[in-house]
Amino acid sequence: GQQLNQSPQSMFIQEGEDVSMNCTSSSIFNTWLWYKQDPGEGPVLLIALYKAGELTSNGRLTAQFGITRKDSFLNISASIPSDVGIYFCAGRVGSARQLTFGSGTQLTVLP
Amino acid sequence: ETGVTQSPTHLIKTRGQQVTLRCSSQSGHNTVSWYQQALGQGPQFIFQYYREEENGRGNFPPRFSGLQFPNYSSELNVNALELDDSALYLCASTPGVGDTEAFFGQGTRLTVV
Repeated sequence: GQQLNQSPQSMFIQEGEDVSMNCTSSSIFNTWLWYKQDPGEGPVLLIALYKAGELTSNGRLTAQFGITRKDSFLNISASIPSDVGIYFCAGRVGSARQLTFGSGTQLTVLP
Repeated sequence: ETGVTQSPTHLIKTRGQQVTLRCSSQSGHNTVSWYQQALGQGPQFIFQYYREEENGRGNFPPRFSGLQFPNYSSELNVNALELDDSALYLCASTPGVGDTEAFFGQGTRLTVV
């Protein structure tokens, strides 16, 4: 089945710094989604991308759908303590029913 | 909040037992999917329900089964529990079967001992 390679696996940054994480796949995805998951909670949708090359922002978050349709990145600017959590990329291939998730990026923001 | 609610929040079962997890989808959403999330991993698709029928299935054995009711709520049943079934089980709803943006509940943490 499809696999998403998400990197980095973890990040430790200072408050106020910018963050970048990405996902790559050997398969072409029609949709890319970025989720954030806090401990003991379900994933919360941050950004959805539907077209190759699309660049979408949600506050301090910006994500792009790669032009090859095999990758996506998420940037967080001016990080704050509440950005701490696990960020997942997810994608949908063709008419597949399911979302395929990456393995997550654990973000820690140091004061 | 996403409007997707799951119960119970935590559950401990013994190997070999059966378990039923429940999910109420967001108002107006007719499609429900279930995911299993092992510790330290991303969610893995179990199956999807639309109009009370299974509408796609991931790589999970038949002892994982489900139901969807006329009000679009759903159940996940797991028979003959194994230790490896210990995980966070997530329910996600979408407005329609062709929609992409899935909204997740808070999950049920299942521990099999």
